[in-house]
Amino acid sequence: AQTVTQSQPEMSVQEAETVTLSCTYDTSESDYYLFWYKQPPSRQMILVIRQEAYKQQNATENRFSVNFQKAAKSFSLKISDSQLGDAAMYFCAYRSGKKSSGDKLTFGTGTRLAVRP
Amino acid sequence: EAQVTQNPRYLITVTGKKLTVTCSQNMNHEYMSWYRQDPGLGLRQIYYSMNVEVTDKGDVPEGYKVSRKEKRNFPLILESPSPNQTSLYFCASSYRQGGGYSPLHFGNGTRLTVT
Repeated sequence: AQTVTQSQPEMSVQEAETVTLSCTYDTSESDYYLFWYKQPPSRQMILVIRQEAYKQQNATENRFSVNFQKAAKSFSLKISDSQLGDAAMYFCAYRSGKKSSGDKLTFGTGTRLAVRP
Repeated sequence: EAQVTQNPRYLITVTGKKLTVTCSQNMNHEYMSWYRQDPGLGLRQIYYSMNVEVTDKGDVPEGYKVSRKEKRNFPLILESPSPNQTSLYFCASSYRQGGGYSPLHFGNGTRLTVT
């Protein structure tokens, strides 16, 4: 079974600075997808960024980028120019590429990010 | 507006009193699922459905039931709730995209407290 580990329960960053959230995963599969979700106090689950394992290029969405190291099974999220609205719980998630696994996500335990003004 | 709608947002109940959390999506998605979120555990899948009348267990199905009689609806039923089912529940949907699936669309969550 796949597992996702987020080793930083809490992180803090100064507004306008850069922060990196860590995520590692364990799998024997070669075809899979990785995601970062943001959960603000409103409880919504908001997709931040998505990475296909077969793509070597790291995904980027505006101020959010990932460092995908397939051999090391690492998938960290970098937030540049942090804003107060970035304060939230961030979840890393894994999805198998096997059709039999459906659309199931395996989540990490989350990292709570605080942004200091 | 494309969305997944869960009701209620908050629910407080007592042990053993049957309850249903509703979930509806207006995007014609084939796939729907339920997750529960607990501190220190992240989100875990309870049940999923790949289409009408097709449901299967996820990682933590004990104490829950689901049904998929219509494509848009996927209710979560707790026949005899217990305090260990106190949690934040999310419904989600997706569709086939390319060789895989779209990202999950989540509802806004239901906070359930069982006393």
